[in-house]
Amino acid sequence: DAKTTQPPSMDCAEGRAANLPCNHSTISGNEYVYWYRQIHSQGPQYIIHGLKNNETNEMASLIITEDRKSSTLILPHATLRDTAVYYCIVRVVNMGRRALTFGSGTRLQVQP
Amino acid sequence: NAGVMQNPRHLVRRRGQEARLRCSPMKGHSHVYWYRQLPEEGLKFMVYLQKENIIDESGMPKERFSAEFPKEGPSILRIQQVVRGDSAAYFCASSPSPQDTDTQYFGPGTRLTVL
Repeated sequence: DAKTTQPPSMDCAEGRAANLPCNHSTISGNEYVYWYRQIHSQGPQYIIHGLKNNETNEMASLIITEDRKSSTLILPHATLRDTAVYYCIVRVVNMGRRALTFGSGTRLQVQP
Repeated sequence: NAGVMQNPRHLVRRRGQEARLRCSPMKGHSHVYWYRQLPEEGLKFMVYLQKENIIDESGMPKERFSAEFPKEGPSILRIQQVVRGDSAAYFCASSPSPQDTDTQYFGPGTRLTVL
């Protein structure tokens, strides 16, 4: 699976949009971009995933560049409960290889 | 729809004892994954199972660790003769039957402390 690079930490003011970047310059055509987050000591929580097109759900938006070498997770109105470590994971999905490879992630601190 | 269930949530064992961690996947999910998170570290994949089959155990330590997902009942991660270095949070995830994308949904974890 492609390697990802994320900033180690970011701050965001409550109520503002949080934009979390991820570089995956070696991504291949059949690899998806997944985002998970881990709120302190809890199990990772799935947020969103995409292949080529931008995606939006009730939690967030995922913007993937046209060359697919980077992406941005957008939390439109961050709240204190969004404080967590956010993981960008790039992976190909097939029967034999389905493990998620977690990097160091970005520690997002939402400030009141 | 209940999420992934793990029990116990906290487990304390003395060195040399056995630890059994249980994971009940979400309803309709037939794939289970186990991950370990050592203190202050990221999650590391251990093993991937389908009902009655181990598909990928590339992340599992070769000794003392085993996993199963029987036809009936929860998946079990068993650690024999625990050592202090086994102290960690163990997370289970499940996903539905194979498809192009298989989102994994995680349980709350079992925190193992070895005294």
